[in-house]
Amino acid sequence: GQNIDQPTEMTATEGAIVQINCTYQTSGFNGLFWYQQHAGEAPTFLSYNVLDGLEEKGRFSSFLSRSKGYSYLLLKELQMKDSASYLCAPLRQTGANNLFFGTGTRLTVIP
Amino acid sequence: GAGVSQSPSNKVTEKGKDVELRCDPISGHTALYWYRQSLGQGLEFLIYFQGNSAPDKSGLPSDRFSAERTGGSVSTLTIQRTQQEDSAVYLCASSPRGQSSYEQYFGPGTRLTVT
Repeated sequence: GQNIDQPTEMTATEGAIVQINCTYQTSGFNGLFWYQQHAGEAPTFLSYNVLDGLEEKGRFSSFLSRSKGYSYLLLKELQMKDSASYLCAPLRQTGANNLFFGTGTRLTVIP
Repeated sequence: GAGVSQSPSNKVTEKGKDVELRCDPISGHTALYWYRQSLGQGLEFLIYFQGNSAPDKSGLPSDRFSAERTGGSVSTLTIQRTQQEDSAVYLCASSPRGQSSYEQYFGPGTRLTVT
């Protein structure tokens, strides 16, 4: 089976740093994606980790520990436009290569 | 270039009617996925097409749901005898090769409301 655990909601201040944690259990792991979804819009790709360690991309970084079934998304220099849901999505190594999405973490950035 | 497009953007239908939702993937993308997202929920995988291979239908919730992909491009998701619990946003995504390292590009979705 598969299970994803993320905080439901988080609030952070503009200009600050926020870390969104994700723990997962899945049969056949083949990498992990983070997607951003603004209210009423489709998800958009943020990052993909397949090996352990930190991947940095501008203000966003993503970390993966396969042995611990753990990932986090780090957002620096928060901007108001970063208010969105952040979806952690482990990739299952099934015939479908399909992603398993959790309910996501709704981040609210306040002035 | 053009992204994934879906139509209609909104669909209101009466319980028991059939509906068809359309997805036009990014040109050249061989993999196509359908998901649905109920209010406040995560994305639920429905079906996956990869090239000319048989589709993976493991996520379809019932036999009222079916999908096809013609010519390896446009896909249609059909829901027969709609029920109120089918109300959700149906998202289509395409990917260049269907390999795990390739991101999925999502369309804007079709919001289905069954009354």
